[in-house]
Amino acid sequence: QVQLVQSGAEVKKPGASVKVSCKASGYTFTSYGISWVRQAPGQGLEWMGWISAYNGNTNYAQKLQGRVTMTTDTSTSTAYMELRSLRSDDTAVYYCARGGRHFHSDYWGQGTLVTVSS
Amino acid sequence: EIVLTQSPGTLSLSPGERATLSCRASQSVSSSYLAWYQQKPGQAPRLLIYGASSRATGIPDRFSGSGSGTDFTLTISRLEPEDFAVYYCQQYGSSPETFGQGTKVEIK
Repeated sequence: QVQLVQSGAEVKKPGASVKVSCKASGYTFTSYGISWVRQAPGQGLEWMGWISAYNGNTNYAQKLQGRVTMTTDTSTSTAYMELRSLRSDDTAVYYCARGGRHFHSDYWGQGTLVTVSS
Repeated sequence: EIVLTQSPGTLSLSPGERATLSCRASQSVSSSYLAWYQQKPGQAPRLLIYGASSRATGIPDRFSGSGSGTDFTLTISRLEPEDFAVYYCQQYGSSPETFGQGTKVEIK
């Protein structure tokens, strides 16, 4: 069965970086992209970007350009999302999901809470 | 950027009633790349509908999606206790992909 398992919760200080992992299983990793979506406490869903697991092409939300990098490691079927220069308003649950770029997000990770606090 | 506006913000209904949720786009959504997700507290979103009207695997047939262009609807024919949750629409045909702000379906 398809599963996306994310890394554990993180607490970071403002200005630091965080790297969240998303390990996929149960399907051919390179056949689908991975989208990243975040949700601030009590708020709605915000699309962060997408990466092709086939060729590494990326598409980032404009507001995060320059601070976010999405990568994949096909040898371990793992996707990564790194966010730099963290601010308090980056506090959110970060989700990875299979799909994106004209494909619906049909399987989601369990979410990773990133807390940014001094 | 395509802005998705969901209405109503909150829907108060009783089990067994019909729920009709609306999602209106600021521009036409290409090829009906419109999905609906259900989210319960502390859980990840769950895909219900994709391509505007196709049910995802394992989704009960009381959930149905319709619409095209700029107007889309999610209908729950008879609410079950487990259907009380927040519902989001998403367009994934144009970059950036965008979500609506959500509709909360609560028990009346």
